[in-house]
Amino acid sequence: AQRVTQPEKLLSVFKGAPVELKCNYSYSGSPELFWYVQYSRQRLQLLLRHISRESIKGFTADLNKGETSFHLKKPFAQEEDSAMYYCAPPLDRGSTLGRLYFGRGTQLTVWP
Amino acid sequence: GAGVSQSPSNKVTEKGKDVELRCDPISGHTALYWYRQSLGQGLEFLIYFQGNSAPDKSGLPSDRFSAERTGGSVSTLTIQRTQQEDSAVYLCASSRNPSGSYEQYFGPGTRLTVT
Repeated sequence: AQRVTQPEKLLSVFKGAPVELKCNYSYSGSPELFWYVQYSRQRLQLLLRHISRESIKGFTADLNKGETSFHLKKPFAQEEDSAMYYCAPPLDRGSTLGRLYFGRGTQLTVWP
Repeated sequence: GAGVSQSPSNKVTEKGKDVELRCDPISGHTALYWYRQSLGQGLEFLIYFQGNSAPDKSGLPSDRFSAERTGGSVSTLTIQRTQQEDSAVYLCASSRNPSGSYEQYFGPGTRLTVT
């Protein structure tokens, strides 16, 4: 079964400090992974997907197949990064289903 | 264009009553998802529709929960005989393609409070 683990429910850092939100998955195929973010009073929205190798708002996420991890990182956190972050690896590409299994989320707080 | 819309935005109901939550996906999106977001519980998958295929109901927590999607567009999530533990924010999302490669677009959610 597919599993996503975000070990930290809460994470606090000071502004300017590096931040890493952890995500581990159990998956037998070649995964495509996403990070979604929900800012206060806003909709849940896509932050980035690993396949595009993009950096959004200074965040990057590297897929480590050996460690089955997809941690989200930012070298210098900003107060506006405070939000709930969800890791979401989808099912095997060979599957006809397209549901995502979201992790339980990590609430990031960046203190001034 | 318009994003995913949900109604009502807030719903307060008495324990034991039935409720219906509505979702209007983005036009042309073939896949539609319902999730439940509870404090401390994260995002919980409920049900997934894709075109004319049988829905994936594996996330529905009990037989009091059901959902329909009419004409491949609008969806209604029904909760019968509501219980206090049903209180949560119910999110709907749609995506252009069922493949996991495609982004899910979320609605603003319906906050359900069961008193």
